[in-house]
Amino acid sequence: RKEVEQDPGPFNVPEGATVAFNCTYSNSASQSFFWYRQDCRKEPKLLMSVYSSGNEDGRFTAQLNRASQYISLLIRDSKLSDSATYLCVVPLGGSQGNLIFGKGTKLSVKP
Amino acid sequence: GAVVSQHPSWVICKSGTSVKIECRSLDFQATTMFWYRQFPKQSLMLMATSNEGSKATYEQGVEKDKFLINHASLTLSTLTVTSAHPEDSSFYICSALSPPSNQPQHFGDGTRLSIL
Repeated sequence: RKEVEQDPGPFNVPEGATVAFNCTYSNSASQSFFWYRQDCRKEPKLLMSVYSSGNEDGRFTAQLNRASQYISLLIRDSKLSDSATYLCVVPLGGSQGNLIFGKGTKLSVKP
Repeated sequence: GAVVSQHPSWVICKSGTSVKIECRSLDFQATTMFWYRQFPKQSLMLMATSNEGSKATYEQGVEKDKFLINHASLTLSTLTVTSAHPEDSSFYICSALSPPSNQPQHFGDGTRLSIL
């Protein structure tokens, strides 16, 4: 299994839709996980941190299943501004030092 | 929140030129900074870990003599791409850990390097 594997994109959804991204990771020692958002030709920006079973922030919900080594990101009521690439990020070896990035899932929200 | 500044944001230069990229932590001291590279449609890949006052730790496959890293102060790390060639064209991004160490990394704006 690749270290961090994400849903292949792109996801093209209408405004207001609910969309979910999946991510699997291979390092069972990882304790924390992150979803970053990256706009075209820009640096990644932290969207959510996941330290326990899940985290919710407004329209965004991240869930973690340690047994299956699976993380998901749910976006409700999609906005045009949500269009971006979403990166699943897992620290290697449980530390914050070496982050392993997934290839990202591209989301395009259409009017 | 913590801010990381990277400069320059865009560089275009001829093959054989050496290019220096700066990464600064603006409102905190960063003993550890990281340099990543991202090719089009690929994920960010860690190149090296830069530690203040000591040698950088390079990831497998990254040439330390080609990608020189200097972390001379707690707020500045530099990456110099020596004798750059077209295959070095990429998006280079730095990041820094801000204390406490369990905080996620903060990323710079990135530098888009194009070698002609």
